[in-house]
Amino acid sequence: AQSVTQLGSHVSVSEGALVLLRCNYSSSVPPYLFWYVQYPNQGLQLLLKYTSAATLVKGINGFEAEFKKSETSFHLTKPSAHMSDAAEYFCAVSDRGNRLAFGKGNQVVVIP
Amino acid sequence: EAEVAQSPRYKITEKSQAVAFWCDPISGHATLYWYRQILGQGPELLVQFQDESVVDDSQLPKDRFSAERLKGVDSTLKIQPAELGDSAMYLCASGTGSYNEQFFGPGTRLTVL
Repeated sequence: AQSVTQLGSHVSVSEGALVLLRCNYSSSVPPYLFWYVQYPNQGLQLLLKYTSAATLVKGINGFEAEFKKSETSFHLTKPSAHMSDAAEYFCAVSDRGNRLAFGKGNQVVVIP
Repeated sequence: EAEVAQSPRYKITEKSQAVAFWCDPISGHATLYWYRQILGQGPELLVQFQDESVVDDSQLPKDRFSAERLKGVDSTLKIQPAELGDSAMYLCASGTGSYNEQFFGPGTRLTVL
């Protein structure tokens, strides 16, 4: 079964600094990969997705992620953190069977 | 912009009571999912529908949970009786099946006292 690992439940970043959230996946077939963001007491919003086209994927709100098959990784980055980026971020993997497996999430805190 | 609707947004109940959650997916989305999200964790799939048929309910605690999507549109998730450990966010999502992209509703936060 597919799975993802997100290390570090809480991530603190200074406003204006680089945001880097790490995601490593396990899948027996070429995966689809996703990053979602969740604000308090709200549902999940899709940031970006990898579906076997370009390995560098650009999403909303200035985020991007790079698929690296050799490292089984799909890390999320944003060059300059904004206060509005404070939220929880989830990486998810699909084995193309319409089932998503989510990581445990990263709670991002932006320090002014 | 089309959205997934869920109600209620918040529900407080006592243990042993029955609760029900409703979800209305984006129009035209054949696939509907119910997830449970415990505080501080990622969502876990409870049940997946394709139109009105259950595709996957392997993680649904069937002794107390039930889900239906009678006409292949909106769906109801029921818990009877509720237990303290059921306190969580219940999320509904829908999709077309394309690349397995799923669109989530705002969720129902359940508190069992």
